[in-house]
Amino acid sequence: NAGVTQTPKFQVLKTGQSMTLQCAQDMNHNSMYWYRQDPGMGLRLIYYSASEGTTDKGEVPNGYNVSRLNKREFSLRLESAAPSQTSVYFCASKKDRYEAFFGQGTRLTVV
Amino acid sequence: GIQVEQSPPDLILQEGANSTLQCNFSDSVNNLQWFHQNPWGQLINLFYIPSGTKQNGRLSATTVATERYSLLYISSSQTTDSGVYFCAVGNDYKLSFGAGTTVTVRA
Repeated sequence: NAGVTQTPKFQVLKTGQSMTLQCAQDMNHNSMYWYRQDPGMGLRLIYYSASEGTTDKGEVPNGYNVSRLNKREFSLRLESAAPSQTSVYFCASKKDRYEAFFGQGTRLTVV
Repeated sequence: GIQVEQSPPDLILQEGANSTLQCNFSDSVNNLQWFHQNPWGQLINLFYIPSGTKQNGRLSATTVATERYSLLYISSSQTTDSGVYFCAVGNDYKLSFGAGTTVTVRA
């Protein structure tokens, strides 16, 4: 039982490059989330998907887009990376209002 | 959005000591979780506790939803308890995190 799987684990981008972070869950959860964590801070919500076919903005959506590909997969895209997007990105999933489970994180550096 | 405040921000313990971490939140919630982020960055689920009291080994948690706070107790602390403890709260779909309490347990 893999839980929530994120790829890649590490990535270095040049300013202006684009990339997609992938997330997949095998727990049959309805809701999926993307968070970012900056040094010394808690996690901040970027986007979430309450169910397949829906996506909504969180606290810090600027510079990002998301796609809920199917019930299992939720991707995060950076169209033109900026140094301010250097962070650790976490994907999570949960069933309705219940317990959320997190992936292992993607450490992204934009130079 | 819901504001989440955790205290203290930092805690240094001698191995074997007990401690209490607090989480206060600004609005009623139906979801509250405690996480431990280990030194490798993994977020480990400790408790799902929107109300009441739960215990798991040396850790226990209590949430008083009507008074908008939750407490995490660590007893007989060990060096492996070091890391950052996060409280996260929400309603239905969204989950908002506090800034965390950094715990350092010294041998």
